[in-house]
Amino acid sequence: QKEVEQDPGPLSVPEGAIVSLNCTYSNSAFQYFMWYRQYSRKGPELLMYTYSSGNKEDGRFTAQVDKSSKYISLFIRDSQPSDSATYLCAMSGSGANSKLTFGKGITLSVRP
Amino acid sequence: DGGITQSPKYLFRKEGQNVTLSCEQNLNHDAMYWYRQDPGQGLRLIYYSQIVNDFQKGDIAEGYSVSREKKESFPLTVTSAQKNPTAFYLCASSIAREDEQYFGPGTRLTVT
Repeated sequence: QKEVEQDPGPLSVPEGAIVSLNCTYSNSAFQYFMWYRQYSRKGPELLMYTYSSGNKEDGRFTAQVDKSSKYISLFIRDSQPSDSATYLCAMSGSGANSKLTFGKGITLSVRP
Repeated sequence: DGGITQSPKYLFRKEGQNVTLSCEQNLNHDAMYWYRQDPGQGLRLIYYSQIVNDFQKGDIAEGYSVSREKKESFPLTVTSAQKNPTAFYLCASSIAREDEQYFGPGTRLTVT
């Protein structure tokens, strides 16, 4: 079982839709959870950073972490064509030897 | 403007030649990282450095070398020993090892 699994996609939705992106993980030591957005041929951009379980909201984006189920989600409300990108989940444990483990990413296309 | 710069954006080399990719940050971050991104494979860690004059191998270090002589700079050399060097290379930095990472714009290396 891979440490981090992400729905492979691609995903296509109409403008204005609510988008749900998900990742599951197997390592119970993960405590820090991130979502990155990557436009084509660009570096990933940090969207959301959360610690442990719970929800975090930032504008149209909500990150949700359920450590008991080892499941994280990113919700995008009122999706826009500018949200079309690849979304990567990433997570790490704590301590100097922890490393960031990434999902493979899912490509989202928002149709006007 | 604070951030991470990578140069060049595109790099072409002949097989058998070593090539060095530049990464500079002015965020005053202690930790720096090199990743490789291939289609369908997500990000894979090549090397990381937590402090000046110290660096550690990541998951796929074979055929690569790094140096960390200055806090701001973490160049990556792709040697002729790297069997499949054509890829998108991403540099990142973080305040400390377990913190969220910020990425540069990437260098696309093509070896023929």
